[in-house]
Amino acid sequence: EIVLTQSPGTLSLSPGERATLSCRASQSVSSSYLAWYQQKPGQAPRLLIYGASSRATGIPDRFSGSGSGTDFTLTISRLEPEDFAVYYCQHYGSSLYTFGQGTKLEIK
Amino acid sequence: EVQVVESGGGLVQPGGSLRLSCAASGFTFSSYWMSWVRQAPGKGLEWVATIKQDGSEKYYVDSVKGRFTISRDNAKNSLYLQMNSLRAEDTAVYYCARDRRIQLMYYYYMDVWGKGTTVTVSS
Repeated sequence: EIVLTQSPGTLSLSPGERATLSCRASQSVSSSYLAWYQQKPGQAPRLLIYGASSRATGIPDRFSGSGSGTDFTLTISRLEPEDFAVYYCQHYGSSLYTFGQGTKLEIK
Repeated sequence: EVQVVESGGGLVQPGGSLRLSCAASGFTFSSYWMSWVRQAPGKGLEWVATIKQDGSEKYYVDSVKGRFTISRDNAKNSLYLQMNSLRAEDTAVYYCARDRRIQLMYYYYMDVWGKGTTVTVSS
């Protein structure tokens, strides 16, 4: 079973800054099976990125995904106030889904 | 509007049962895999179960195997999760999600989520 480890656990930044969130898999995975979600308090998760680097419909281009093998990154180029939330990576494999534990992006 | 709406959550005693429902609208329900994902209070997301379009394939996280059953009724555009032998650790918000699979590109992700229904297992 693939284990996804996200870092850092909490990231404190200011609006306008660049955010870099990491997702590391316990073994090499296909990038096509890697997705990222955003979740705000009291809300359902929202799909941001699929296939490691493809933005979902309606997602601003300040969000980008990259990576391959065991290391994947979600980058928010210039933080807007509405971007402060928890972010999860997700992997599909062997008919199962696995989520990382999440990274909380908070306002500094 | 494409949406899914969960219902059926509530307070149940340990060992009890509950059936969650998810009503889909705005898309051809029978064309999509569907999943349940849960989130315990203050915790992260945990995938629970997935079902194929015609119900012929079902997959579960190990912790619910033998206790939970996912099913669907395509004529009613509805997804279900029958939960038996409930434990305190099953306490969570349960989300219904459309499971998007683009097999030509090997893309697998969840692109439509409901607002969730809360299940509390406590005596």
